[in-house]
Parts: sequence; C-alpha cells; structure tokens
Amino acid sequence: EAGVAQSPRYKIIEKRQSVAFWCNPISGHATLYWYQQILGQGPKLLIQFQNNGVVDDSQLPKDRFSAERLKGVDSTLKIQPAKLEDSAVYLCASSPLWAGVTEQFFGPGTRLTVL
Amino acid sequence: DQQVKQNSPSLSVQEGRISILNCDYTNSMFDYFLWYKKYPAEGPTFLISISSIKDKNEDGRFTVFLNKSAKHLSLHIVPSQPGDSAVYFCAASERNTNAGKSTFGDGTTLTVKP
Repeated sequence: EAGVAQSPRYKIIEKRQSVAFWCNPISGHATLYWYQQILGQGPKLLIQFQNNGVVDDSQLPKDRFSAERLKGVDSTLKIQPAKLEDSAVYLCASSPLWAGVTEQFFGPGTRLTVL
Repeated sequence: DQQVKQNSPSLSVQEGRISILNCDYTNSMFDYFLWYKKYPAEGPTFLISISSIKDKNEDGRFTVFLNKSAKHLSLHIVPSQPGDSAVYFCAASERNTNAGKSTFGDGTTLTVKP
C-alpha cells in the first residue's frame, strides 16, 4: 500500500512570495489533515478535511493560508504572502473513515524556509 | 494553553535498559491517546494507542500506561534498542467529536546508546 505522498520535499522562498504544497493521501482515506511543525514543537493542526468538506480550520491563518481538497482526494495548501515565521515543516496526514480509528498516516513533509 | 505536555525534551538510556517517556494532559474530554515515533526527515509513524477505558496496552516491547485520575500517560520501551532513537510524540483525541483530530505534545527525543 502506497503511503501519503507530498511534494516538494524542500522549498526556499523570500518573504512576501507565494508557495504551494501538494498532498496525495492513502487511497480510500476520507480524512486529510495539514499540520505545521515548527522546529522543537509538535505538529499543530491547520486544517482537517472529511472527503472534500472542511471539518476544522480554526487554527488556519486565513488571511494568508488557504487549502483545498480536490474531489475528496488530493489536497493543496497555499501560503500567500509568506512571512519569516512560516518557516516550518508542513505535514500532510490521512486516516480512514472508520468508527474508532484515529491513528493518522503521515507523509514525509515539506520543509519550508522563508528568507 | 498547551493541552498535551511532554515535559522532558530529551532522554538518554543505555541499550537493553528501559526507556520511560511521559506525557500529561489537561483536557478531561480526551478519551484516546496515541504515541508516534519520528525519525529525521520523515513523517511521524503511529506506534501504539490506548483508549480511556483501559489502563494498559502492550505491543511487543512497547507498553503504554494510562492514569486517568492524574491525567498522565507513559510509554515504556523494554528492552531499548539503538534503532529506537527518535523523537516520540504523545497525542490525544476526543473520539466522538471532530473524528480523528489529535492534539500533539512537543515531543521527547530518545537516544539509546549502544
């Protein structure tokens, strides 16, 4: 079974530029998450999708961050414009829509550096 | 306000000995707890979990203990192996709301010395 795919793996941009990250979850997984992990901290949830609907985006800085999940499968996360404090690893995770199953399957992440 | 706390940023143990990683939580609505393991340049991988109706769950060398009254859980690794060296994250969920949403601690870096 293929895992969660993310691209790019690394990205370096100047502040005020835009950047987009892509995620392909495990086939059949209805729930998709985007996390921001700042160095030395745990993953912080940015947005959670169930199929192509948003379940939770309370921690998403909506003035600069946006996300969509195309047809309930792939997802993109965009930052526009980027700030220095956005430097972090952006993790995508997915989980199946089963009652009682809450473990998540993570991709390798995209390391973003904002200069 | 951090709802899941891992107060030890790092832990070093000798190969073959026991590793004990601790986690505290403040939200009494959490009813499912998970541990994830993370190697450098990789995403976290699920290790073991426990429901709030249990106080212990064991899987091979890994055992998780839950003390609900103290809002505390711990992960025991026995015996520890050099390949266990990684960052360990504790996570907590409310299974019946926001299905699957987990709140993570900041992690403990475990180093197992040969």
